Amino acid sequence: GAVVSQHPSRVICKSGTSVKIECRSLDFQATTMFWYRQFPKQSLMLMATSNEGSKATYEQGVEKDKFLINHASLTLSTLTVTSAHPEDSSFYICSAPTPFANTGELFFGEGSRLTVL
Amino acid sequence: KQEVTQIPAALSVPEGENLVLNCSFTDSAIYNLQWFRQDPGKGLTSLLLIQSSQREQTSGRLNASLDKSSGRSTLYIAASQPGDSATYLCAVRNQAGTALIFGKGTTLSVSS
Repeated sequence: GAVVSQHPSRVICKSGTSVKIECRSLDFQATTMFWYRQFPKQSLMLMATSNEGSKATYEQGVEKDKFLINHASLTLSTLTVTSAHPEDSSFYICSAPTPFANTGELFFGEGSRLTVL
Repeated sequence: KQEVTQIPAALSVPEGENLVLNCSFTDSAIYNLQWFRQDPGKGLTSLLLIQSSQREQTSGRLNASLDKSSGRSTLYIAASQPGDSATYLCAVRNQAGTALIFGKGTTLSVSS
């Protein structure tokens, strides 16, 4: 089945620094990837849709200048949290639709836990 | 705007019980619905996917049903085990190519 991999799985950084999270589709090409954020005890909230070769589409309330998304290739999307602050501490997870079957199933990466000190 | 609600928020049962988790969504014009399992601090494990044209899907002790007209889905877990303890998330996709919209989940605890 389709595999989506995220790196790093955990990152701790100081306030004010930038952190990059990678999302890779390992055995298929993904023209679209979705980035979610999950705060403790909360559900997954869609942040943005990453589109290969074009600008990402951000959900209302998500700062595009703070959460930079780059989808430079068909197998890699990156999320950069710029000038991170403690309130950005969260679980970030990406997903991509599988091309192998016409089911519309979305596969998810393992997630990246960001802690900003 | 699509909204997904899951009831109950938490559930504790003794081992061996059959149980039902409920999911409702406000816009019945969905493309598909997925049930996921999430263990504490971990990512998502896809359990079942139901297409909009389907009524149910089964995998082992799990059975998910879909009633699009009423905007409801249920996840039935038979003969629950302590290893089933996790948070179960329901998510719908409105159209092909769009993202999943998640409910807040039901946290299940199965005691031995």
